[in-house]
Amino acid sequence: QVQLQESGPGLVKPSETLSLTCSVSGGSISGYFWTWIRQPPGKRLEWIGFIYYTGSTDYNPSLKSRVTISVDTSKNQFSLKLSSVTAADTAVYYCARLGFCSNGACLADYWGQGTLVTVSS
Amino acid sequence: EIVLTQSPGTLSLSPGERGTLSCRASQSLNNNFLAWYQQKPGQAPRLLIYGASSRATGIPDRFSGSGSGTDFTLTISRLEPEDLAVYYCQQYVTSPRTFGQGTKLEIK
Repeated sequence: QVQLQESGPGLVKPSETLSLTCSVSGGSISGYFWTWIRQPPGKRLEWIGFIYYTGSTDYNPSLKSRVTISVDTSKNQFSLKLSSVTAADTAVYYCARLGFCSNGACLADYWGQGTLVTVSS
Repeated sequence: EIVLTQSPGTLSLSPGERGTLSCRASQSLNNNFLAWYQQKPGQAPRLLIYGASSRATGIPDRFSGSGSGTDFTLTISRLEPEDLAVYYCQQYVTSPRTFGQGTKLEIK
């Protein structure tokens, strides 16, 4: 059974960089796309971006200038960095595997439990 | 960016009833690349439906999806108390992948 676990600071100061890591267990990170999705309190889910295990990425244009997603296959982990954060970046951040594929497109099948990151001084 | 609009915002039904949730896209979704997720309180979302009408692995046949183009529907027949959740539609035709604002299903 594949399991994902987000880790990182729960509190980040405005203008600083949010950094989260997703550790994957029970399966290999190789061969799959991996994604970050966030959910501000009381709001809809927002797709941040995804990364292929080879390192290819695609980001939400609304966040692209501030986002970096990277992968470390040796550690079976992938990471998210979001720079210059503001209160609007306060959200539950989820990592997920895009492992359910049909007709050439993949959807999230395994998710982490989510981690709340609050941006506040 | 494709905008998804879900209705109603909240749906309150009794066990055994049928629930109908709607998702409308701002432009036509090629290949019906529309998915439905269920998010129970305090949990991560779970994939229910992909390709507008195909059930994901392990999803009961009480859940069914339909629609094409810009108008899609999730139907939950014979509601059970455990179906209490927020249901989101998501398009995966183009980047950025976008979600609807959700329909909250309340069980009376």
